[in-house]
Amino acid sequence: DAGVIQSPRHEVTEMGQEVTLRCKPISGHDYLFWYRQTMMRGLELLIYFNNNVPIDDSGMPEDRFSAKMPNASFSTLKIQPSEPRDSAVYFCASSLGGWETQYFGPGTRLLVL
Amino acid sequence: DQQVKQNSPSLSVQEGRISILNCDYTNSMFDYFLWYKKYPAEGPTFLISISSIKDKNEDGRFTVFLNKSAKHLSLHIVPSQPGDSAVYFCAASAGGNNRLAFGKGNQVVVIP
Repeated sequence: DAGVIQSPRHEVTEMGQEVTLRCKPISGHDYLFWYRQTMMRGLELLIYFNNNVPIDDSGMPEDRFSAKMPNASFSTLKIQPSEPRDSAVYFCASSLGGWETQYFGPGTRLLVL
Repeated sequence: DQQVKQNSPSLSVQEGRISILNCDYTNSMFDYFLWYKKYPAEGPTFLISISSIKDKNEDGRFTVFLNKSAKHLSLHIVPSQPGDSAVYFCAASAGGNNRLAFGKGNQVVVIP
């Protein structure tokens, strides 16, 4: 099994640009989670899906952030427009049956200049 | 507000000795606790967990202790090995809620 796949691994962009992060969960998993890691706040849950349906997006910082899961094998996290304070590592994780034992992808390191 | 706190962000320990990582939480509704381990440029990986009905869970060299009255848990690694050098995250969940609250992590360096 390839595990959770995230792309790109690194992204450098300028303030105001649109950024799209991609995630392919482990096949058969029914939960997908997006996290953000920063030095100040650690690892924060942004949103999670169950069977492709967004369940809790209370962690999404503001309207500039949006996430979709059009099918069981693909999800995107979009930031439009991006700002320097969005610079962080964004992780996608998936699990079978809930929050226990989530499997994380390698993360996307985002730098907004 | 950080509901899960990991103080002493870094720890250095000699190979073969015990590593002890501490975690405190503020939400009395938390009833399930997990430790994740993270290597550079990789995502966190699940290490060990404990339910609030227990006060100890052991898996090989890793043991987690839970003190509910003190809202405190700890992870013991014994004996520590160089491959244990990583960042360790404490996480907690309440009542089957699918949100995990994470601490900021502890960096462990095991010196050969």
